Amino acid sequence: AQSVSQHNHHVILSEAASLELGCNYSYGGTVNLFWYVQYPGQHLQLLLKYFSGDPLVKGIKGFEAEFIKSKFSFNLRKPSVQWSDTAEYFCAVFDTGRRALTFGSGTRLQVQP
Amino acid sequence: DTEVTQTPKHLVMGMTNKKSLKCEQHMGHRAMYWYKQKAKKPPELMFVYSYEKLSINESVPSRFSPECPNSSLLNLHLHALQPEDSALYLCASRKEGTRDYEQYFGPGTRLTVT
Repeated sequence: AQSVSQHNHHVILSEAASLELGCNYSYGGTVNLFWYVQYPGQHLQLLLKYFSGDPLVKGIKGFEAEFIKSKFSFNLRKPSVQWSDTAEYFCAVFDTGRRALTFGSGTRLQVQP
Repeated sequence: DTEVTQTPKHLVMGMTNKKSLKCEQHMGHRAMYWYKQKAKKPPELMFVYSYEKLSINESVPSRFSPECPNSSLLNLHLHALQPEDSALYLCASRKEGTRDYEQYFGPGTRLTVT
């Protein structure tokens, strides 16, 4: 089964700092990767997705991610975070066997004003 | 309309109660999902429906019983639940038959079992 791992469990940044959250996937074939965000008390929202093509993917709210096949990575970046970015961030892969998303363990981002 | 709706938003039930969660989408998606999310954990897959047929059951206890009465509706029937079943239950949908694997999530039902 395809899986993803997130090694940063809790990240604390000051406003205007740059952000990079790690995500590594396990499968060596074609992958479909996603980053979702869950703000406190709110539902999951898609930030961005990668199917194929340009490995640098732009998402909503100024987020981007880079698919690096040689490193099995799909890290999420933002040049300057805001207090409103405080949330839980999940990397996910579409598992073609189960036809469903498999999520990483999540990274809790806390942005201090 | 890119919305998945879920009712109720909150549910408190006793261990002997029977209740149902409801999920609805009008995007023409033919894959629908139930996930369970415990606090500070990622969503975990429970069931997958494809073209109104159950295709995946992730070894979920029989006290959870899914139902897909038509292509827009997905229910989760609950009976004799345990306190450890308290969680956020998320519904999602996806367009089948394409390479668009994005899943659209509803806001969830927060279930408390007393």
